[in-house]
Amino acid sequence: AQSVTQLDSQVPVFEEAPVELRCNYSSSVSVYLFWYVQYPNQGLQLLLKYLSGSTLVKGINGFEAEFNKSQTSFHLRKPSVHISDTAEYFCAVSERMDSSYKLIFGSGTRLLVRP
Amino acid sequence: NAGVTQTPKFRVLKTGQSMTLLCAQDMNHEYMYWYRQDPGMGLRLIHYSVGEGTTAKGEVPDGYNVSRLKKQNFLLGLESAAPSQTSVYFCASTGAYLDDPSSYNEQFFGPGTRLTVL
Repeated sequence: AQSVTQLDSQVPVFEEAPVELRCNYSSSVSVYLFWYVQYPNQGLQLLLKYLSGSTLVKGINGFEAEFNKSQTSFHLRKPSVHISDTAEYFCAVSERMDSSYKLIFGSGTRLLVRP
Repeated sequence: NAGVTQTPKFRVLKTGQSMTLLCAQDMNHEYMYWYRQDPGMGLRLIHYSVGEGTTAKGEVPDGYNVSRLKKQNFLLGLESAAPSQTSVYFCASTGAYLDDPSSYNEQFFGPGTRLTVL
């Protein structure tokens, strides 16, 4: 079974600073990778996904992630964060089950943006 | 388009009580999922359904039952609630998966139900 590790439970950063949220997954076979964002008291919203092709994936709200197969990583980055980016971020990997896929989630990283 | 909706938003139960959480989606999605979210543990899959009338166990199914009598609805039941089931429950849905990765559909999540079992 696959697993996802998010190394940082919380990342504090000042507004307009760059940020990187780390994600490592366990599988060495082809994978689909995702980053979801959860704002306070809301459900999860897809930020970006990697299915195939270019290893640099751009998502919504200025976020991007880079797929690194040799390091089994899919780190999320943003060059300049805003207060409104304060949220919890989840990395996920897909795993085949029956005729569909399921998502395996990491434990989440809380991004705290300070003025 | 309401997307994925969940009722209720909040609920407090006493140990041993039963309840049903309702998930509804208006996107004509085949696949529906129930997750629970606990601090520091991400989301864990409880049960899922690949179509009307079908259900299957996920990662943490014990203590829960589900039904998918209509394509748009997915119900999660707790027959005898326990404090360990205090959690936030999320429903998600997605369209049919194909073998072509470019057609992979994201999962759309509801706003969640916060359940406390005393």
